[in-house]
Amino acid sequence: DIVMTQSPDSLAVSLGERATISCKSSQSVLYNSNNKNYLAWYQQKPGQPPKLLIYWASTRASGVPDRFSGSGSGTDFTLTINSLQAEDGAVYYCQQYDKIPITFGGGTRVEIK
Amino acid sequence: QVQLMESGGGVVQPGRSLRLSCVVSGFSFSRYSMHWVRQTPDKGLEWVAVISIDGSIKYYADSVKGRITVSRDNSKNTLYLQMNSLRAEDTALYYCVRDLEGGGWTWAFDYWGQGTLVTVSS
Repeated sequence: DIVMTQSPDSLAVSLGERATISCKSSQSVLYNSNNKNYLAWYQQKPGQPPKLLIYWASTRASGVPDRFSGSGSGTDFTLTINSLQAEDGAVYYCQQYDKIPITFGGGTRVEIK
Repeated sequence: QVQLMESGGGVVQPGRSLRLSCVVSGFSFSRYSMHWVRQTPDKGLEWVAVISIDGSIKYYADSVKGRITVSRDNSKNTLYLQMNSLRAEDTALYYCVRDLEGGGWTWAFDYWGQGTLVTVSS
Protein backbone atom coordinates (compact mmCIF):
# COMPACT_ATOMS: atom_id res chain seq x y z
CA ASP A 1 0.00 0.00 0.00
CA ILE A 2 1.09 3.58 -0.61
CA VAL A 3 1.56 5.31 2.74
CA MET A 4 0.75 9.01 2.86
CA THR A 5 2.54 11.03 5.54
CA GLN A 6 1.45 14.56 6.33
CA SER A 7 3.27 17.17 8.34
CA PRO A 8 2.82 18.93 10.60
CA ASP A 9 -0.01 17.30 12.54
CA SER A 10 -1.29 20.76 13.38
CA LEU A 11 -0.36 24.39 12.92
CA ALA A 12 -1.63 27.74 14.10
CA VAL A 13 -1.55 30.59 11.62
CA SER A 14 -2.60 34.20 11.96
CA LEU A 15 -5.34 35.67 9.80
CA GLY A 16 -3.91 36.87 6.50
CA GLU A 17 -0.78 34.78 6.81
CA ARG A 18 0.24 31.68 4.84
CA ALA A 19 -0.25 28.04 5.84
CA THR A 20 1.86 25.32 4.28
CA ILE A 21 1.12 21.61 4.62
CA SER A 22 3.38 18.83 3.40
CA CYS A 23 2.38 15.42 2.13
CA LYS A 24 4.82 12.66 1.22
CA SER A 25 3.95 9.37 -0.44
CA SER A 26 5.91 6.17 0.11
CA GLN A 27 6.15 5.70 -3.64
CA SER A 28 5.70 7.95 -6.62
CA VAL A 29 2.13 8.79 -7.64
CA LEU A 30 3.27 10.30 -10.92
CA TYR A 31 1.90 8.33 -13.86
CA ASN A 32 4.47 8.75 -16.58
CA SER A 33 2.21 8.03 -19.54
CA ASN A 34 0.11 11.14 -18.90
CA ASN A 35 2.50 13.07 -16.64
CA LYS A 36 -0.19 13.44 -14.00
CA ASN A 37 0.25 13.17 -10.26
CA TYR A 38 -2.61 11.18 -8.73
CA LEU A 39 -2.79 13.35 -5.60
CA ALA A 40 -5.75 15.21 -4.12
CA TRP A 41 -6.31 17.50 -1.16
CA TYR A 42 -9.47 17.73 0.94
CA GLN A 43 -10.71 20.10 3.62
CA GLN A 44 -12.91 18.87 6.45
CA LYS A 45 -14.70 21.07 8.94
CA PRO A 46 -16.34 19.74 12.11
CA GLY A 47 -19.55 17.83 11.47
CA GLN A 48 -19.08 17.94 7.71
CA PRO A 49 -17.77 15.48 5.14
CA PRO A 50 -14.47 16.22 3.42
CA LYS A 51 -14.57 18.68 0.54
CA LEU A 52 -12.39 18.34 -2.53
CA LEU A 53 -9.96 21.25 -2.89
CA ILE A 54 -7.26 20.11 -5.31
CA TYR A 55 -6.82 17.19 -7.69
CA TRP A 56 -4.04 16.17 -10.07
CA ALA A 57 -1.83 17.74 -7.38
CA SER A 58 -2.44 21.30 -8.57
CA THR A 59 -5.89 21.65 -10.19
CA ARG A 60 -8.36 23.54 -8.03
CA ALA A 61 -11.82 22.03 -7.80
CA SER A 62 -14.80 24.07 -8.90
CA GLY A 63 -15.57 26.96 -6.58
CA VAL A 64 -12.38 26.68 -4.54
CA PRO A 65 -10.83 30.11 -3.86
CA ASP A 66 -7.52 30.79 -5.56
CA ARG A 67 -5.79 31.31 -2.20
CA PHE A 68 -5.61 27.49 -2.13
CA SER A 69 -2.86 26.03 -4.27
CA GLY A 70 -1.23 22.65 -4.65
CA SER A 71 2.24 21.83 -5.87
CA GLY A 72 4.77 19.05 -6.04
CA SER A 73 5.43 15.90 -8.03
CA GLY A 74 6.41 12.29 -7.56
CA THR A 75 6.46 11.75 -3.81
CA ASP A 76 6.50 15.26 -2.33
CA PHE A 77 3.52 17.58 -2.33
CA THR A 78 2.45 20.82 -0.70
CA LEU A 79 -0.85 22.51 -0.02
CA THR A 80 -0.51 26.25 0.44
CA ILE A 81 -3.22 28.52 1.79
CA ASN A 82 -2.39 32.16 1.17
CA SER A 83 -4.01 35.02 3.08
CA LEU A 84 -5.62 32.67 5.58
CA GLN A 85 -9.27 33.44 6.31
CA ALA A 86 -11.26 32.58 9.42
CA GLU A 87 -13.27 30.00 7.48
CA ASP A 88 -10.07 28.08 6.57
CA GLY A 89 -9.79 26.59 10.06
CA ALA A 90 -10.22 22.88 9.36
CA VAL A 91 -8.43 19.56 8.97
CA TYR A 92 -6.73 18.99 5.63
CA TYR A 93 -6.06 15.58 4.11
CA CYS A 94 -4.02 14.46 1.16
CA GLN A 95 -5.02 11.36 -0.79
CA GLN A 96 -3.33 9.28 -3.44
CA TYR A 97 -5.49 7.76 -6.14
CA ASP A 98 -2.79 6.17 -8.22
CA LYS A 99 -3.18 2.66 -6.87
CA ILE A 100 -5.70 0.55 -5.04
CA PRO A 101 -6.04 0.72 -2.10
CA ILE A 102 -6.68 4.45 -2.25
CA THR A 103 -5.02 5.93 0.82
CA PHE A 104 -5.18 9.14 2.81
CA GLY A 105 -2.74 11.04 4.96
CA GLY A 106 -3.43 11.35 8.66
CA GLY A 107 -4.58 14.95 8.38
CA THR A 108 -3.26 18.36 9.39
CA ARG A 109 -5.31 20.60 11.63
CA VAL A 110 -5.09 24.30 10.79
CA GLU A 111 -6.01 26.60 13.62
CA ILE A 112 -6.53 30.31 13.19
CA LYS A 113 -4.53 32.36 15.65
CA GLN B 1 -27.68 20.12 -7.02
CA VAL B 2 -25.75 16.96 -6.34
CA GLN B 3 -27.00 15.10 -3.27
CA LEU B 4 -26.00 11.80 -1.73
CA MET B 5 -28.03 10.46 1.17
CA GLU B 6 -26.82 7.47 3.14
CA SER B 7 -28.99 5.35 5.40
CA GLY B 8 -28.96 2.00 7.13
CA GLY B 9 -26.44 2.61 9.86
CA GLY B 10 -27.02 1.63 13.45
CA VAL B 11 -25.81 -0.48 16.34
CA VAL B 12 -25.17 -4.13 15.50
CA GLN B 13 -23.59 -7.02 17.35
CA PRO B 14 -20.29 -8.50 16.22
CA GLY B 15 -20.78 -11.17 13.57
CA ARG B 16 -24.08 -9.75 12.37
CA SER B 17 -24.90 -8.06 9.08
CA LEU B 18 -25.99 -4.62 7.94
CA ARG B 19 -26.82 -3.11 4.57
CA LEU B 20 -26.14 0.54 3.88
CA SER B 21 -27.88 2.44 1.10
CA CYS B 22 -27.08 5.68 -0.65
CA VAL B 23 -29.70 7.41 -2.76
CA VAL B 24 -28.34 10.06 -5.07
CA SER B 25 -29.91 12.91 -6.99
CA GLY B 26 -28.87 15.88 -9.07
CA PHE B 27 -26.65 13.99 -11.50
CA SER B 28 -26.69 11.04 -13.84
CA PHE B 29 -25.88 8.22 -11.41
CA SER B 30 -25.25 5.66 -14.14
CA ARG B 31 -22.34 7.74 -15.51
CA TYR B 32 -20.27 7.77 -12.34
CA SER B 33 -18.24 5.23 -10.48
CA MET B 34 -19.03 5.32 -6.78
CA HIS B 35 -17.09 4.68 -3.60
CA TRP B 36 -17.59 4.01 0.07
CA VAL B 37 -15.18 5.68 2.47
CA ARG B 38 -15.27 5.36 6.24
CA GLN B 39 -13.90 7.54 8.99
CA THR B 40 -13.02 7.03 12.62
CA PRO B 41 -11.31 9.35 15.08
CA ASP B 42 -8.49 6.80 15.53
CA LYS B 43 -7.81 5.62 11.98
CA GLY B 44 -8.94 8.70 10.07
CA LEU B 45 -10.23 8.31 6.53
CA GLU B 46 -10.19 4.82 5.06
CA TRP B 47 -11.31 3.95 1.56
CA VAL B 48 -13.54 0.87 1.60
CA ALA B 49 -14.73 0.01 -1.91
CA VAL B 50 -15.34 1.26 -5.45
CA ILE B 51 -17.79 0.10 -8.09
CA SER B 52 -17.66 0.93 -11.78
CA ILE B 53 -20.48 2.66 -13.63
CA ASP B 54 -22.13 -0.58 -14.71
CA GLY B 55 -21.24 -2.54 -11.60
CA SER B 56 -18.99 -4.95 -13.47
CA ILE B 57 -15.76 -3.95 -11.71
CA LYS B 58 -15.35 -3.72 -7.95
CA TYR B 59 -12.34 -3.23 -5.74
CA TYR B 60 -12.12 -3.52 -1.97
CA ALA B 61 -9.78 -2.63 0.85
CA ASP B 62 -8.04 -5.69 2.25
CA SER B 63 -9.59 -5.00 5.66
CA VAL B 64 -13.10 -5.70 4.32
CA LYS B 65 -12.46 -8.12 1.46
CA GLY B 66 -14.64 -11.20 1.69
CA ARG B 67 -16.99 -9.64 4.22
CA ILE B 68 -18.31 -6.56 2.41
CA THR B 69 -19.95 -6.27 -1.01
CA VAL B 70 -20.63 -3.09 -2.94
CA SER B 71 -23.44 -3.00 -5.48
CA ARG B 72 -25.62 -0.52 -7.31
CA ASP B 73 -29.01 -0.22 -8.93
CA ASN B 74 -28.81 2.40 -11.64
CA SER B 75 -32.57 2.27 -12.18
CA LYS B 76 -33.05 3.39 -8.58
CA ASN B 77 -30.09 5.79 -8.36
CA THR B 78 -28.92 3.80 -5.36
CA LEU B 79 -25.59 2.50 -4.12
CA TYR B 80 -25.38 -0.28 -1.54
CA LEU B 81 -22.87 -1.71 0.89
CA GLN B 82 -23.66 -5.16 2.25
CA MET B 83 -21.63 -5.70 5.40
CA ASN B 84 -21.38 -9.22 6.83
CA SER B 85 -19.46 -10.73 9.75
CA LEU B 86 -19.11 -7.29 11.27
CA ARG B 87 -16.26 -6.61 13.68
CA ALA B 88 -15.67 -3.92 16.28
CA GLU B 89 -13.08 -2.38 13.96
CA ASP B 90 -15.81 -1.77 11.36
CA THR B 91 -17.27 0.87 13.67
CA ALA B 92 -17.12 4.10 11.69
CA LEU B 93 -18.98 6.83 9.88
CA TYR B 94 -19.58 5.51 6.37
CA TYR B 95 -19.65 7.96 3.49
CA CYS B 96 -21.06 7.43 0.03
CA VAL B 97 -18.78 9.27 -2.40
CA ARG B 98 -18.90 10.12 -6.09
CA ASP B 99 -15.88 9.62 -8.31
CA LEU B 100 -14.50 12.78 -9.86
CA GLU B 101 -14.77 11.63 -13.45
CA GLY B 102 -17.99 10.82 -15.25
CA GLY B 103 -17.86 8.08 -17.82
CA GLY B 104 -14.83 6.40 -16.32
CA TRP B 105 -12.98 6.77 -13.07
CA THR B 106 -10.13 8.59 -11.48
CA TRP B 107 -10.52 7.40 -7.89
CA ALA B 108 -10.56 10.99 -6.62
CA PHE B 109 -13.76 12.10 -4.93
CA ASP B 110 -15.76 15.19 -5.69
CA TYR B 111 -19.04 14.80 -3.77
CA TRP B 112 -19.62 13.19 -0.39
CA GLY B 113 -22.77 12.35 1.53
CA GLN B 114 -23.16 13.28 5.17
CA GLY B 115 -22.45 9.73 6.27
CA THR B 116 -24.21 7.04 8.26
CA LEU B 117 -22.82 5.77 11.54
CA VAL B 118 -22.20 2.08 12.06
CA THR B 119 -21.43 0.88 15.57
CA VAL B 120 -20.45 -2.73 16.10
CA SER B 121 -20.79 -3.61 19.76
CA SER B 122 -22.16 -6.34 21.97
